[in-house]
Amino acid sequence: ETGVTQSPTHLIKTRGQQVTLRCSSQSGHNTVSWYQQALGQGPQFIFQYYREEENGRGNFPPRFSGLQFPNYSSELNVNALELDDSALYLCASSLDPGTGGVEQYFGPGTRLTVT
Amino acid sequence: QKEVEQDPGPLSVPEGAIVSLNCTYSNSAFQYFMWYRQYSRKGPELLMYTYSSGNKEDGRFTAQVDKSSKYISLFIRDSQPSDSATYLCAMKRGNTPLVFGKGTRLSVIA
Repeated sequence: ETGVTQSPTHLIKTRGQQVTLRCSSQSGHNTVSWYQQALGQGPQFIFQYYREEENGRGNFPPRFSGLQFPNYSSELNVNALELDDSALYLCASSLDPGTGGVEQYFGPGTRLTVT
Repeated sequence: QKEVEQDPGPLSVPEGAIVSLNCTYSNSAFQYFMWYRQYSRKGPELLMYTYSSGNKEDGRFTAQVDKSSKYISLFIRDSQPSDSATYLCAMKRGNTPLVFGKGTRLSVIA
């Protein structure tokens, strides 16, 4: 069984730039959730994708957008980067939200630094 | 008031001690209560979860949920230096997303 993988591991961007982060879900999982974890804080929910459709969104502005592909891998895109976007971005995969989606398995994260 | 409150610590204990980690919450609709362990610069790892009230045991780890007090706990028996990490509580109801506490940083000293 393959776990959740994320790329890249680290990224440094300049304020105003755009970034794309990638996630491959665990084998058999069709749901991907993205979280932002600032230093010293717990993860905060950004949005979830289920079968290529957005299935819930947290309190993040529209410049945070996502995509899920037919193989259930996913991308997180952030436009017009701000200094406060510096954080660890985590992706978690799970089974169908309505049935077995309680257990979410996290990837190692992408550490984004905005200067 | 935040939905989930967790003392960030840090908490330092000697090897072999019993560790108690706690969270309180305000949303009485939460049904699922999780504990995650996060090592430095890694993603959170699901330790265990409980549905509704009661206890659940897995090896050296015991999770307790008291819905009447809106209080959950994780106990670690015979703590080891390898248990040194940040412990995150998280909760959800139905299909809603996980709501995390801030995490408690634990150090187990050999």
